[in-house]
Amino acid sequence: AQKVTQAQTEISVVEKEDVTLDCVYETRDTTYYLFWYKQPPSGELVFLIRRNSFDEQNEISGRYSWNFQKSTSSFNFTITASQVVDSAVYFCALRCLTTSGTYKYIFGTGTRLKVLA
Amino acid sequence: KAGVTQTPRYLIKTRGQQVTLSCSPISGHRSVSWYQQTPGQGLQFLFEYFSETQRNKGNFPGRFSGRQFSNSRSEMNVSTLELGDSALYLCASSSDGIGGGDVNYGYTFGSGTRLTVV
Repeated sequence: AQKVTQAQTEISVVEKEDVTLDCVYETRDTTYYLFWYKQPPSGELVFLIRRNSFDEQNEISGRYSWNFQKSTSSFNFTITASQVVDSAVYFCALRCLTTSGTYKYIFGTGTRLKVLA
Repeated sequence: KAGVTQTPRYLIKTRGQQVTLSCSPISGHRSVSWYQQTPGQGLQFLFEYFSETQRNKGNFPGRFSGRQFSNSRSEMNVSTLELGDSALYLCASSSDGIGGGDVNYGYTFGSGTRLTVV
């Protein structure tokens, strides 16, 4: 089965707190890509990061960091010192192979993050 | 570089009517995908077009259809609207030729069309 689970529906934190958004995936592909997108109130999904299945190195970009662990099929996203502008819905997505030999995305249900001033 | 443009931004329709939504991808992008976003179901894949051909289709009824033109612009149509079709419809484009967006940068999304069916 191909599936992405974001168990946290909504998280509220106070500004400057650290917060981790969880993403667990299932795939039968041996090579795959995982993505995180941010959806601000304006609606468009904004690409944040992608990770391929061969690269388990964690990544840090400013206040954002990602922890990819194949052993637990997880690709978690941490925001350090959260800010009000981080308030958005965050989606984890899996790029997976279809039966026709092309690829498509499977999205998690998203986690709504509210950062309170 | 202009982003992905979706029109209209908001739409209110009555049950039983039909609706057409439009998406203009980033210049040079030949792949266009459509997603339906609802609070209960999250983001659901509708279909993907590449060079005017439907490459993939999600699990939606035949009332949902789409097409892509030679300039890569795409339209999706929903006939006989139902209340449950109320959603944000997102379009995404990429230059990729095998689906699933660019492996490095994924898709570029538009801001969506919010459809309300009353």
